[in-house]
Amino acid sequence: QKEVEQNSGPLSVPEGAIASLNCTYSDRGSQSFFWYRQYSGKSPELIMSIYSNGDKEDGRFTAQLNKASQYVSLLIRDSQPSDSATYLCAVTGRGGYQKVTFGTGTKLQVIP
Amino acid sequence: SQTIHQWPATLVQPVGSPLSLECTVEGTSNPNLYWYRQAAGRGLQLLFYSVGIGQISSEVPQNLSASRPQDRQFILSSKKLLLSDSGFYLCALRQGANYGYTFGSGTRLTVV
Repeated sequence: QKEVEQNSGPLSVPEGAIASLNCTYSDRGSQSFFWYRQYSGKSPELIMSIYSNGDKEDGRFTAQLNKASQYVSLLIRDSQPSDSATYLCAVTGRGGYQKVTFGTGTKLQVIP
Repeated sequence: SQTIHQWPATLVQPVGSPLSLECTVEGTSNPNLYWYRQAAGRGLQLLFYSVGIGQISSEVPQNLSASRPQDRQFILSSKKLLLSDSGFYLCALRQGANYGYTFGSGTRLTVV
């Protein structure tokens, strides 16, 4: 079992729709959860972080965390073509320097 | 604000040649610094991290090495490149264990 799992996609949504990206993790002791956006050929950019169960909203983005189910998701409302990118889920585990494990990413395509 | 400078942006090197990638940081002191590699179609792999000058921890055995000669400088090196060293190399920093990464713009290395 992979430590952090994401569906590779591509996930295609029409412009203006809600895009839902999902991530599961295996370490129950994980403490911090992050979503990064990576445009093709570019480096990842941090867009959301979440640390406790529930929802966290920032503009059109909402991160959702359910530690009991070991599940974290990212919702993008009113999706725009500029949101087309690969979204990486990252989880910080336990340990001396709290190792970060990345998923392999979900490719999102927003169709105009 | 924190800034990471990485160079070069792209590099084509023959098998067996040496490598030196440099990363410098501005806007922060005593950062935790990281080298990641992203191979085509694969996730981010942590190569090295450093919590201070001269302090390097290696995550995977390989023909790469890292050094931190100054507080804000992190260098990735190899004496002899392999074809399998091709990939997108990213330098990153984070303020603490519960913070997300800030990535540099990356170096795309192709070993031929």
